[in-house]
Amino acid sequence: AQSVTQLGSHVSVSEGALVLLRCNYSSSVPPYLFWYVQYPNQGLQLLLKYTSAATLVKGINGFEAEFKKSETSFHLTKPSAHMSDAAEYFCAVRFSGSARQLTFGSGTQLTVLP
Amino acid sequence: GAGVSQTPSNKVTEKGKYVELRCDPISGHTALYWYRQSLGQGPEFLIYFQGTGAADDSGLPNDRFFAVRPEGSVSTLKIQRTERGDSAVYLCASSLNPGQDNGYTFGSGTRLTVV
Repeated sequence: AQSVTQLGSHVSVSEGALVLLRCNYSSSVPPYLFWYVQYPNQGLQLLLKYTSAATLVKGINGFEAEFKKSETSFHLTKPSAHMSDAAEYFCAVRFSGSARQLTFGSGTQLTVLP
Repeated sequence: GAGVSQTPSNKVTEKGKYVELRCDPISGHTALYWYRQSLGQGPEFLIYFQGTGAADDSGLPNDRFFAVRPEGSVSTLKIQRTERGDSAVYLCASSLNPGQDNGYTFGSGTRLTVV
């Protein structure tokens, strides 16, 4: 079955430290990949997307993600965490043949420590 | 409107009752999606509309769930004979057209609590 796995339901980093949030998917065909952020009591906001162009994708708020086909991964990174980055992050995948629906991971809650 | 609007933002209902959740997409967006997000989990797909028709309803959990979009804009998700397990945040999203892979614009959701 096609699935999306986010390793680590909670990640804590110090302000200014590297942020690394992991996402792996199960599919032999490279899908479309997305990262969303959800702040408390708000809707999901698109951070960035991979749609078969450059494998290193830059998004908003200084985030970027690299698609690695050999590892079936799409990890999200940011060089220096800011307090305002504290939120829940979701990796989402549109698998080939799944029409327009997205399959989401279970999310990673990012805490930024002062 | 400027964004996807969902009403109500919160709904508490008794087990067995009928509820309707409304989604007003971004003006001109032809594609509309409903997702359900249970506590501690990512959103799960329910149904996708292209225009007025349901193009994919494979995510609806059972026949108590139904959604309509009669004029190709506002959509209503209807849940009959609600159960406690239906408690979740129901998210609506829209996109300009189904071929556009820019992701969707999500609303803030309706938090449904069945007591």
